Amino acid sequence: QSVLTQPPSASGTPGQRVTISCSGSRSNIGNYYVSWYQQLPGTAPKLLIYRNHQRPSGVPDRFSGSKSGTSASLAISGLRSEDEAEYYCAAWDDSLNDHYVFGTGTQVTVL
Amino acid sequence: QVQLVQSGAEVKKPGASVTVSCKASGYTFIGYYIHWVRQAPGQGLEWMGWINPKSGGTKYAQKSQGRVTLTRDTSVSTAYMEVSGLRSDDTAVYYCARPPSGNWDDAFEIWGQGTTVTVSS
Repeated sequence: QSVLTQPPSASGTPGQRVTISCSGSRSNIGNYYVSWYQQLPGTAPKLLIYRNHQRPSGVPDRFSGSKSGTSASLAISGLRSEDEAEYYCAAWDDSLNDHYVFGTGTQVTVL
Repeated sequence: QVQLVQSGAEVKKPGASVTVSCKASGYTFIGYYIHWVRQAPGQGLEWMGWINPKSGGTKYAQKSQGRVTLTRDTSVSTAYMEVSGLRSDDTAVYYCARPPSGNWDDAFEIWGQGTTVTVSS
């Protein structure tokens, strides 16, 4: 049972902006950086955002992250067909012996 | 280039053990923690633990403690994850991953390709 809650699905047409929310608590998002991962079917997750809003080299600036209190969000602007994937938020959690928690996942569909 | 290459798929019977390897290349192995994450079929991601390749120190998720053992061999830049007492619900794809920095509490930037472990009688 994940402690980070995401909407199960989100969708948009090409070119639109889609936002995914991630709700946590003080022990995770409230105290630690948030990361976001994109997972295409049958492949390993790919880091999109780390330390709340940093993008690794090679990640387009269409992807942006933000955090406020115990919630975070990922925005995808200029939606493209190749953005259709599962997206997970994640953060460290200092309850029960420091562990890394992933969100429930959000399936993004490009209509 | 920086990469993590994992061992191949495994099929095991319930109660058996499995060891998955994760070979690092393109960077200094002892400079970055290695984490392990698994994903059951159709399910989300679950963090299992980390190993500090420099010291051999480990930390496990509560669910992993007792059945999961993380080790490393610095001479071949390889990390290992052993799961013992396999059950059907251990059927999953297992990933190793590396943070972008030398900190244990960072995100996971570099991922292995994944190793499918199937537990079936």
